[in-house]
Formats: sequence, structure tokens, C-alpha cells
Amino acid sequence: AQRVTQPEKLLSVFKGAPVELKCNYSYSGSPELFWYVQYSRQRLQLLLRHISRESIKGFTADLNKGETSFHLKKPFAQEEDSAMYYCALGAAGNKLTFGGGTRVLVKP
Amino acid sequence: DGGITQSPKYLFRKEGQNVTLSCEQNLNHDAMYWYRQDPGQGLRLIYYSQIVNDFQKGDIAEGYSVSREKKESFPLTVTSAQKNPTAFYLCASMDRGPGNTIYFGEGSWLTVV
Repeated sequence: AQRVTQPEKLLSVFKGAPVELKCNYSYSGSPELFWYVQYSRQRLQLLLRHISRESIKGFTADLNKGETSFHLKKPFAQEEDSAMYYCALGAAGNKLTFGGGTRVLVKP
Repeated sequence: DGGITQSPKYLFRKEGQNVTLSCEQNLNHDAMYWYRQDPGQGLRLIYYSQIVNDFQKGDIAEGYSVSREKKESFPLTVTSAQKNPTAFYLCASMDRGPGNTIYFGEGSWLTVV
């Protein structure tokens, strides 16, 4: 069975401070990992995926297969980063499993 | 305007009644999904479908049913057997293949009264 765990329900940081959202997964196969974001009153949308190895809005995430983690990081948080963030695991058969989500609050 | 459309946005149901939530996509995507979003529990997979006329149970399928008679449509029925149906329901679709983006609808709020 596949599972995604986001241990922090809420992260509160000051503007300009670094932010790291933790994500751990369990899956016996080769995983596809994603981060999705939901801004207030907007649809859930893709932020980034591990196969692209990209940086979106200053966020990066590295897949660590040894630690089965895919933590999301940003060195300098902005107020517009306040949102709900979900880590997701894609498995064989296109089954996509989400974590419980982490709410990020960036204070001025 | 391409995308995923869910209807209705708000729905009230009396206990003991079945209700069907609509999900339509014009993105020509093969895979479609239904998730339930509860506060503090994130998104939980109810059912998903990889292709027309095929679907699989997700993690919380009990009390729900789906059909996939057309590529663009994946309706979800919340039956009276669902013990706690009041929730926010999200539909999504994706092209088949690894690493592809999933697109979400705006969601439907179901309240049992």
C-alpha cells in the first residue's frame, strides 16, 4: 500500500525566513512525487514534481529515496506563499495518493 | 474554456437519500479521480478510473459508487450507506503516463441535513 505523511499540519514563519515542509512516503515501487498548492479560494494546482527537478516560485524539492522523503523548501518565504500544501505520490495504475496537507502562514 | 467542471457547487441532502455529483472534463484525459477533502485529513481517494468503462476503488470507497460510460464524464453517487457524507468533494483528471499533471475541479460541497 502507498502512503504519504505530512507531519506538520501548520507552519507559521515570518516573511523572509526559510520554510521547509516535510513529506515522507511509503511505496514499494518506483514513486512519482508531486507538491500541490491550494491558495485561498482557488483550485488545487500543481506546484512542482520531482522528475522535472525544477524550481517554481522559489520552491525546490529533492526526492531522497533512502529516507523516502520529498521535502519542500524555500529559502525566503513571502506572504503570498501562505496556502495549503499537499504532497502527493503517483503509483502504478495512475493511483495518486495525497498527504494530509500542511497549512503555511507567512507573517509580515 | 477547457477544464474540469463539477456540479452542483453546493448540495443539501436528506439522510437516507442518494445523491449524484457530476464531473465533466474536456481535456481529453484518460484518467479521472474523486477525492474527499475533510479538515485536517487532506485528500482521500474515493474512486479512480484509468479509462472508459473501467474504475477502481480508492482508499475510502465504501458508501460511494461511480460509472465511466464516457471519457469526459465520471459521476459520483453518494449513497445512503455512506455514514458521514458531509464533506467537500473534488474531481480531477490526468493524461495517462508517469509524471503527468492532475487537474482539479472547483469542488462540490455536500451537506446532509
